[in-house]
Amino acid sequence: GEDVEQSLFLSVREGDSSVINCTYTDSSSTYLYWYKQEPGAGLQLLTYIFSNMDMKQDQRLTVLLNKKDKHLSLRIADTQTGDSAIYFCAEAPGDDYKLSFGAGTTVTVRA
Amino acid sequence: DADVTQTPRNRITKTGKRIMLECSQTKGHDRMYWYRQDPGLGLRLIYYSFDVKDINKGEISDGYSVSRQAQAKFSLSLESAIPNQTALYFCATSDFQSDRGRFNEQFFGPGTRLTVL
Repeated sequence: GEDVEQSLFLSVREGDSSVINCTYTDSSSTYLYWYKQEPGAGLQLLTYIFSNMDMKQDQRLTVLLNKKDKHLSLRIADTQTGDSAIYFCAEAPGDDYKLSFGAGTTVTVRA
Repeated sequence: DADVTQTPRNRITKTGKRIMLECSQTKGHDRMYWYRQDPGLGLRLIYYSFDVKDINKGEISDGYSVSRQAQAKFSLSLESAIPNQTALYFCATSDFQSDRGRFNEQFFGPGTRLTVL
């Protein structure tokens, strides 16, 4: 099928790094996105990367993009309890500005 | 005040009932979307609208209809609810910015949890 794929669960110890992986489907996606959903809330854009970049760093967040393998990852350094959430990878296939989301990775931060 | 609001926040209904979920936004965005979220399936697009006169089906539009009453309002209807429509429903908006090409940040409402018995 033509799905954006992510693993469903990640458990990480507080202070460690978290790495969330995603494979997407459309090599023409100009931007790739990471959204965060906190408990009981809607999604919010966390970060994004332009397709001509390999890496983007934003404070504790590092996004890596491998266009050849259509692989996207999000690394959260020094993971905190407030990072416990569901993280969605999203692409914008085609040219009509819709987003296609992965199933979401539930990150649980343990003390 | 929240930029994207959804009403109701929670709804329990019975099979066969007609249900309307409402979405309002104060962001002035032209584009609005309805998604449903199911555990393990992520978000799936039901309908989207790029302006008041433009309505498009998403990947799972069967059993749903929409109305774009104004730029700020986009309603989702379930004409005859069935149990497998039990889900969390999200409305979202976005704005086309010509200077940012195809960048598409979507802004989400808080969601409506719908249970169909």
